[in-house]
Amino acid sequence: DSGVTQTPKHLITATGQRVTLRCSPRSGDLSVYWYQQSLDQGLQFLIQYYNGEERAKGNILERFSAQQFPDLHSELNLSSLELGDSALYFCASSVGAGASNEKLFFGSGTQLSVL
Amino acid sequence: GQNIDQPTEMTATEGAIVQINCTYQTSGFNGLFWYQQHAGEAPTFLSYNVLDGLEEKGRFSSFLSRSKGYSYLLLKELQMKDSASYLCAVRLNTGGFKTIFGAGTRLFVKA
Repeated sequence: DSGVTQTPKHLITATGQRVTLRCSPRSGDLSVYWYQQSLDQGLQFLIQYYNGEERAKGNILERFSAQQFPDLHSELNLSSLELGDSALYFCASSVGAGASNEKLFFGSGTQLSVL
Repeated sequence: GQNIDQPTEMTATEGAIVQINCTYQTSGFNGLFWYQQHAGEAPTFLSYNVLDGLEEKGRFSSFLSRSKGYSYLLLKELQMKDSASYLCAVRLNTGGFKTIFGAGTRLFVKA
């Protein structure tokens, strides 16, 4: 158990809908990262938050947004869902802002299926 | 752009040694990681290199050459439970730290 909690584990929805994925980092970790993993692709970096502020951005679509709350949990909002958004979404956390040797601790992921 | 390449699949025999290579073309290099991911599970940290050379940790070792943009993960005394995907990841400092991953190498260990 990494100590990172993601809910829900599975989510099935329809195209055009909006969903919210939730992540609680390990106790003491200030950074939260979101990744998308599709069957034919590796982990795609979406976005990082550190202590409530956006720190780094990857290939995150405009239909997606995220935030980190004062209690450090984070939510990833996906809207106007398309079939291609079906993927495993991972949240990870680290102690600081991402210094070179900081390893990431991953949650068990949310499997999103858009039908 | 930022690019990380590693072989898609490898097969090895129980008890043997296997080397998984990773090459990267990135700017803002700030460290290289290897993660292990079993099917349907979360990735878990294996090793970290920021300086050139070999880091050894039990049955696993990782090597880095920054000038060549090259790393490898060496797994010794392979066990069936080592069947998993191995992800090469590079931390970048491009005005914000982010860790990008290669597509992963699926390793099959056969008896």
